[in-house]
Amino acid sequence: NAGVTQTPKFQVLKTGQSMTLQCAQDMNHEYMSWYRQDPGMGLRLIHYSVGAGITDQGEVPNGYNVSRSTTEDFPLRLLSAAPSQTSVYFCASSYRGGGTGGHEQYFGPGTRLTVT
Amino acid sequence: AQSVTQLDSQVPVFEEAPVELRCNYSSSVSVYLFWYVQYPNQGLQLLLKYLSGSTLVKGINGFEAEFNKSQTSFHLRKPSVHISDTAEYFCAVSDNDYKLSFGAGTTVTVRA
Repeated sequence: NAGVTQTPKFQVLKTGQSMTLQCAQDMNHEYMSWYRQDPGMGLRLIHYSVGAGITDQGEVPNGYNVSRSTTEDFPLRLLSAAPSQTSVYFCASSYRGGGTGGHEQYFGPGTRLTVT
Repeated sequence: AQSVTQLDSQVPVFEEAPVELRCNYSSSVSVYLFWYVQYPNQGLQLLLKYLSGSTLVKGINGFEAEFNKSQTSFHLRKPSVHISDTAEYFCAVSDNDYKLSFGAGTTVTVRA
């Protein structure tokens, strides 16, 4: 059981380039989310998904696209990289279950992205 | 909308001393409250969570937190820290299972 995996671990892009950050989970979780972590700002939600085929915007969605074609995978696409997107990106997943919520989110190890 | 304020950005502490990390939140609805820890160059790991019931919540590694509804606080405590507790700690709030709102984080540095 690998949990939440992310690739690559590190990436350097030039301004204007595009790329996809990969995220996969093997826990059959319905919910998946992408966050970015910046110093002094904690983690901010970029996009999230409540199930295959369903995605929605979070707090800071501009410049990013997502799709969820399977339960396991939730890739994050940077359309045209900008220096402001230099950050550490975390993918997370959680179980929907029934009844009350409050299920924890499981986080991947992160992707450190630098845009020059 | 929810927001989280972590009142201390950095907390230096000596080994075996107690530590308290302060967290206040604002929300117009009932929420779930979490504390996560991030060790250097790693992802986030859940320390503990409050859903309902007893206001004192015990977590892993000897941490505990107390929910105070009237003060909208969820402070984290440990009676005796170790060098290995050096990490960044995040308080988070949610009213569902897929959107967390995080505080800015508190860096705890434990010195011998």
